[in-house]
Amino acid sequence: IAGITQAPTSQILAAGRRMTLRCTQDMRHNAMYWYRQDLGLGLRLIHYSNTAGTTGKGEVPDGYSVSRANTDDFPLTLASAVPSQTSVYFCASSETWATQPQHFGDGTRLSIL
Amino acid sequence: SQQGEEDPQALSIQEGENATMNCSYKTSINNLQWYRQNSGRGLVHLILIRSNEREKHSGRLRVTLDTSKKSSSLLITASRAADTASYFCATDAGGGADGLTFGKGTHLIIQP
Repeated sequence: IAGITQAPTSQILAAGRRMTLRCTQDMRHNAMYWYRQDLGLGLRLIHYSNTAGTTGKGEVPDGYSVSRANTDDFPLTLASAVPSQTSVYFCASSETWATQPQHFGDGTRLSIL
Repeated sequence: SQQGEEDPQALSIQEGENATMNCSYKTSINNLQWYRQNSGRGLVHLILIRSNEREKHSGRLRVTLDTSKKSSSLLITASRAADTASYFCATDAGGGADGLTFGKGTHLIIQP
């Protein structure tokens, strides 16, 4: 079934550790996004990529980095995790930038202790 | 920045009734989208309405857009238990770096 695959589905991580959340799409979409969802705050954009080889910062980029080496993969890295990064992380994609409907993965539930 | 704000935050109705959720936003938009999120899952796109459209239908869903009031509404007719979910509006302010901006959502509960 075409869509977005995120891994892992959940993770408990010690503060200070490095963690990479994986995201793969098989729809050949140009644009990809990472959001975090926190209770009472809704979804907030962390980083985005308009096309392979380019990335940009969203609303809450600090403490996170991304890369887009090819069309299908868009990993999100926490270089040194902190408790405030405890959240549910969603990867999404769309055919083109922003104006098109976005397709979401089922999220990674990350707890930083 | 949170552009869209849904109202109410939570809504509980009986199966078969209609459910109406509202979204207000602050700046001019190119389009407005509605998404559904079931518990523990990702968001699913429901419908997109462009700034030059006033109403759009998709099955039991009806979306209206009033750009003069900077507001939109999502109507779900003849609600079913499976409609229980959170509903989010998202706005596209014109292809800038902010991309889509999501509201905080309305949690809809359909009582059987």
